[in-house]
Amino acid sequence: DTGVSQNPRHKITKRGQNVTFRCDPISEHNRLYWYRQTLGQGPEFLTYFQNEAQLEKSRLLSDRFSAERPKGSFSTLEIQRTEQGDSAMYLCASTGHTEAFFGQGTRLTVV
Amino acid sequence: AQTVTQSQPEMSVQEAETVTLSCTYDTSESDYYLFWYKQPPSRQMILVIRQEAYKQQNATENRFSVNFQKAAKSFSLKISDSQLGDAAMYFCAYRSEGYRDDKIIFGKGTRLHILP
Repeated sequence: DTGVSQNPRHKITKRGQNVTFRCDPISEHNRLYWYRQTLGQGPEFLTYFQNEAQLEKSRLLSDRFSAERPKGSFSTLEIQRTEQGDSAMYLCASTGHTEAFFGQGTRLTVV
Repeated sequence: AQTVTQSQPEMSVQEAETVTLSCTYDTSESDYYLFWYKQPPSRQMILVIRQEAYKQQNATENRFSVNFQKAAKSFSLKISDSQLGDAAMYFCAYRSEGYRDDKIIFGKGTRLHILP
């Protein structure tokens, strides 16, 4: 297992289009987190899963955002009708009992 | 709700010197974890050091050590013998030990510059 994997690494999309990101966590980790990070800022919590159950969604996550983790393995984050303000790095992390391990992120640019 | 505050947006240190990054947090819980993460310009977040709140002894990892003051809710990171490769954003983070509501909360970060 080589760690948390995120795809794609970069995504450029036109405003109003839908985008989907994928995260493959470390296989034995049951917790999976999504964060959003803008330049020079700390990661902002979006949502997280215990296996396939979504435990919490941040108020930052508008109705245009949806996340799933079918079968408790990989997760997807979809943004519908993208806006320029959605441009950011989207980070995925997984954890066992203590610290989180992060993927390299997906950088989204909405033009 | 738990919060994490890093009051130093940027810091600079001379190579080979020692620097301390500050972090305070707010929680009503007694059992939790605290972390320092490093994010180099390549942007993948890497764990630097971890502290369990029930442990009185401060964690140490090679040149990195923490000063954990539970009553004061303070968790600072000391980097000794600073190296050019230490230049990065450093984030302090908190995680509850509770089964639910154990999301990891991050501070806004401190950008550390190493001066040659």
